[in-house]
Amino acid sequence: QQPVQSPQAVILREGEDAVINCSSSKALYSVHWYRQKHGEAPVFLMILLKGGEQKGHEKISASFNEKKQQSSLYLTASQLSYSGTYFCGTEVRGYSGGGADGLTFGKGTHLIIQP
Amino acid sequence: NAGVTQTPKFQVLKTGQSMTLQCAQDMNHNSMYWYRQDPGMGLRLIYYSASEGTTDKGEVPNGYNVSRLNKREFSLRLESAAPSQTSVYFCASSWQGGVGGLRSGELFFGEGSRLTVL
Repeated sequence: QQPVQSPQAVILREGEDAVINCSSSKALYSVHWYRQKHGEAPVFLMILLKGGEQKGHEKISASFNEKKQQSSLYLTASQLSYSGTYFCGTEVRGYSGGGADGLTFGKGTHLIIQP
Repeated sequence: NAGVTQTPKFQVLKTGQSMTLQCAQDMNHNSMYWYRQDPGMGLRLIYYSASEGTTDKGEVPNGYNVSRLNKREFSLRLESAAPSQTSVYFCASSWQGGVGGLRSGELFFGEGSRLTVL
């Protein structure tokens, strides 16, 4: 089951902040965040593994609330280069075997940064 | 560095035709994946291969088959293409089971293959 992302789209002025949310109905082991520019492949931003752990990537950071099965991506002082579609990818807790079973991605959040 | 390479980048098929999408990675990753991307639907997992010699179904496997030829290569086959399979297909790879029990490493994606079925 796909995680739910909100909002579906955001339009910002350069320098403004944005928050993108990702929630799942299942217990999560990890959450990934990716950004995709139009016509290009998704590019990795960060992974969050533990409840409440926050990771950062320049002016982009994220949090993971393990109890609520939610993650949020924070973009501060947005730049034109931040425009694109942001996807969260979730991995479900409970897998006990070795190897990977793939990420389930949300439908994406379109972020438009205007000068 | 090449990373993940997919071929072909573009393909037009007629309904009922078959084709194979090829994917190769040069990062020594153990896990590989095939996703499809449709407008408004995000990325949906078709098949994955956790390690060489194993393959498993993802969310939307119907109409597809895969082969993990070796550690580097993972192909996706459409036996009888249908218009509903018109999509952009992405191959990805990752390293699993790293430090700290990390199950899911960063996914590296290929550039995508745009398939149109008429």
